[in-house]
Amino acid sequence: GQQLNQSPQSMFIQEGEDVSMNCTSSSIFNTWLWYKQDPGEGPVLLIALYKAGELTSNGRLTAQFGITRKDSFLNISASIPSDVGIYFCAGRPNRDDKIIFGKGTRLHILP
Amino acid sequence: GAGVSQSPSNKVTEKGKDVELRCDPISGHTALYWYRQSLGQGLEFLIYFQGNSAPDKSGLPSDRFSAERTGGSVSTLTIQRTQQEDSAVYLCASSLVLLAGVELEFFGPGTRLTVL
Repeated sequence: GQQLNQSPQSMFIQEGEDVSMNCTSSSIFNTWLWYKQDPGEGPVLLIALYKAGELTSNGRLTAQFGITRKDSFLNISASIPSDVGIYFCAGRPNRDDKIIFGKGTRLHILP
Repeated sequence: GAGVSQSPSNKVTEKGKDVELRCDPISGHTALYWYRQSLGQGLEFLIYFQGNSAPDKSGLPSDRFSAERTGGSVSTLTIQRTQQEDSAVYLCASSLVLLAGVELEFFGPGTRLTVL
């Protein structure tokens, strides 16, 4: 079936650094979603993207829906300790398809 | 509350016993998903309910797993004859279609299942 390749698998950064992670697919998606999961919690939706080329911000977070419709990236600027967690990309190939998740990027912030 | 709720939050059971996990979606949400997440891993899709359509069961790992959604609302995931490898966090999510092609999915806090 369709899969999303999310990278990197883990990131270790210093507080204040910017972060970038991405998600790619071998086939076209018409919706891209980015979630964050804190330990012991369910994932929480950060940003939803519905149009190719769309660039959307949510505070220090920015995500883009790739022009080819086969990729998306998420940037976090000026990271802070509470950004620690697992970030999942997700997408829907077509409007009526179920959502497919990437395997997650684990963000660690070094003291 | 206004979010997706799941019960119990934690369940410890003995190998071979059956368990039922419950999900109460957000009122009015037509779609409901079940996922499984092993420690430190990603989300494994299990089953998807959308309105009155037949559920997509393609992710259920074995015939010991089944799920129902009664009245288009509450869902129960049942695992029969539990095995130790069933230990994981089981997450439920419901979604709302805002308009054509725009659907937002919200997760519950999960049920942590431990099979001894």
